[in-house]
Amino acid sequence: DTAVSQTPKYLVTQMGNDKSIKCEQNLGHDTMYWYKQDSKKFLKIMFSYNNKELIINETVPNRFSPKSPDKAHLNLHINSLELGDSAVYFCASSHDSGSTQYFGAGTRLSVL
Amino acid sequence: SQQGEEDPQALSIQEGENATMNCSYKTSINNLQWYRQNSGRGLVHLILIRSNEREKHSGRLRVTLDTSKKSSSLLITASRAADTASYFCATAVDDKIIFGKGTRLHILP
Repeated sequence: DTAVSQTPKYLVTQMGNDKSIKCEQNLGHDTMYWYKQDSKKFLKIMFSYNNKELIINETVPNRFSPKSPDKAHLNLHINSLELGDSAVYFCASSHDSGSTQYFGAGTRLSVL
Repeated sequence: SQQGEEDPQALSIQEGENATMNCSYKTSINNLQWYRQNSGRGLVHLILIRSNEREKHSGRLRVTLDTSKKSSSLLITASRAADTASYFCATAVDDKIIFGKGTRLHILP
């Protein structure tokens, strides 16, 4: 069973559309994260949630809105997609902040 | 500026040789972690070393931490083709983990 699963794996969409990426972890972890990895492989944290509460919100356009319905899920909704949003988005979870993180396989978003 | 920066950015070695990657950081840390990312995949945790530890081993991996120099190294001994990947260091500072830009390791047959 996949520990951290995110869907979809690939997402191709037109500029201006709204899309969501879902993430679920079955590890019983309290903390979940969203990262963006650009074409140069630089991994940048976007959001961190601990037990459904937002604890890290880096400088991210407010078109990106995370939602955590429960501590096993952290979804990412993106409004009005732009070309620069094209990247691979990774979800991760950890027992608590600062401990080992377990990553999903990534969602490759292409905005046309 | 980056909290953690790996060096070199890219490394190509012959299979069987040892590979060494370095990570430097700027502020005091709680722990430092190394991750591997195969092409098109998510990151996989390799080793976590706490700020009060100096060296850890896991199989063919050896990690050192020098807090006085704010640096860490990852040594992969007897490299294999399957070790070809990007390697990232991540520093844990308070509640935040910050990743470096990674070292791309290529093992030549």
